[in-house]
Amino acid sequence: GENVEQHPSTLSVQEGDSAVIKCTYSDSASNYFPWYKQELGKGPQLIIDIRSNVGEKKDQRIAVTLNKTAKHFSLHITETQPEDSAVYFCAATSFGNEKLTFGTGTRLTIIP
Amino acid sequence: EPEVTQTPSHQVTQMGQEVILRCVPISNHLYFYWYRQILGQKVEFLVSFYNNEISEKSEIFDDQFSVERPDGSNFTLKIRSTKLEDSAMYFCASRATGVGETQYFGPGTRLLVL
Repeated sequence: GENVEQHPSTLSVQEGDSAVIKCTYSDSASNYFPWYKQELGKGPQLIIDIRSNVGEKKDQRIAVTLNKTAKHFSLHITETQPEDSAVYFCAATSFGNEKLTFGTGTRLTIIP
Repeated sequence: EPEVTQTPSHQVTQMGQEVILRCVPISNHLYFYWYRQILGQKVEFLVSFYNNEISEKSEIFDDQFSVERPDGSNFTLKIRSTKLEDSAMYFCASRATGVGETQYFGPGTRLLVL
């Protein structure tokens, strides 16, 4: 089955700087990669996703890149703000597959 | 904006008791899921449900677990005889058909088994 590794487990950045979180996946059949943000006591909220037919996707301060050959995908947050502080999870699945396989999470702390 | 809702938000139960966790998926969604997250760990898939039957389940989802869609709006997870290791956050998720694999998660039910 799919295995998703995520690094780093914790990340602290100064407000205004950029944050990068990286994931690798094992199953070459995976073709859909969502990123979720989880705030304390809440459920995971989708923030951005990418499908394997594109290499990059951007939504305002958030971008995701995908390298299918290396089986890597990364989340980039620019101009970080205190409200970006949360746990971020990457996940992978394939169309027709029913389950998301999650990474282990990254606790992002934005230092004012 | 439509969202997945879950009740209760917290549940405390004694080991061996049955619990039912309830979810109301987004109204036009047809695929439903349960995931769990043990404190400090990653989110793990339990089961998926479509067209009134289980479509996939993980090895965690043993005979103590069952799911049901008792009416047109609710989706439930039942744990027949709870164990200490069932203590976790349980998330319901749903997705529509024909829009890829975007799953939308509810706020979760925190289950504590004593």
